[in-house]
Amino acid sequence: DAGVIQSPRHEVTEMGQEVTLRCKPISGHNSLFWYRQTMMRGLELLIYFNNNVPIDDSGMPEDRFSAKMPNASFSTLKIQPSEPRDSAVYFCASTLTGRDNEQFFGPGTRLTVL
Amino acid sequence: AQKITQTQPGMFVQEKEAVTLDCTYDTSDPSYGLFWYKQPSSGEMIFLIYQGSYDQQNATEGRYSLNFQKARKSANLVISASQLGDSAMYFCAMTLTDSWGKLQFGAGTQVVVTP
Repeated sequence: DAGVIQSPRHEVTEMGQEVTLRCKPISGHNSLFWYRQTMMRGLELLIYFNNNVPIDDSGMPEDRFSAKMPNASFSTLKIQPSEPRDSAVYFCASTLTGRDNEQFFGPGTRLTVL
Repeated sequence: AQKITQTQPGMFVQEKEAVTLDCTYDTSDPSYGLFWYKQPSSGEMIFLIYQGSYDQQNATEGRYSLNFQKARKSANLVISASQLGDSAMYFCAMTLTDSWGKLQFGAGTQVVVTP
């Protein structure tokens, strides 16, 4: 089992540039989550999908952030334009919807916006 | 809104000793799940153990056990026989049944295991 796959693992970009983070969930999982981890705010949920449909995007910081899940095996998180305060580790996680099921996290993408 | 509190920012434990990491939660929802994750310095998030709010027995997974005290709203993680590889950040998290998977995390506890 390949686990949750995220790319890139590291991204360094300049302020104002568009950034796209990618995630492939575990095959068969039908819920996908995007988290952001910073020293100041800890781990926070940005958005989650169930059966490819966005269910709750209340954690998305502002309109510069958008997420899509065009099919069951792929999701993107886009930041446009990026700002230095977006620097963080972004995690994607997936699970099979249902009580008692744990989430499996990807390795994360470390984003640095200069 | 639910809330997760981990009051211990960091702790040292000697190898082979047991350590208890505190976690309290606050929710008025009767149905929820509690999780513990480990984050080593390499950064990945590793699932350790799960406890459902209706589970009668405390969860155990190898050297990990969860001391679930529902009336006190606490879900402490106990690591027995600590190993050097247990040095990591540990996060407690909670989800409500009607939004399963929407995890809210505590601030974490940094554990350092010393020889």
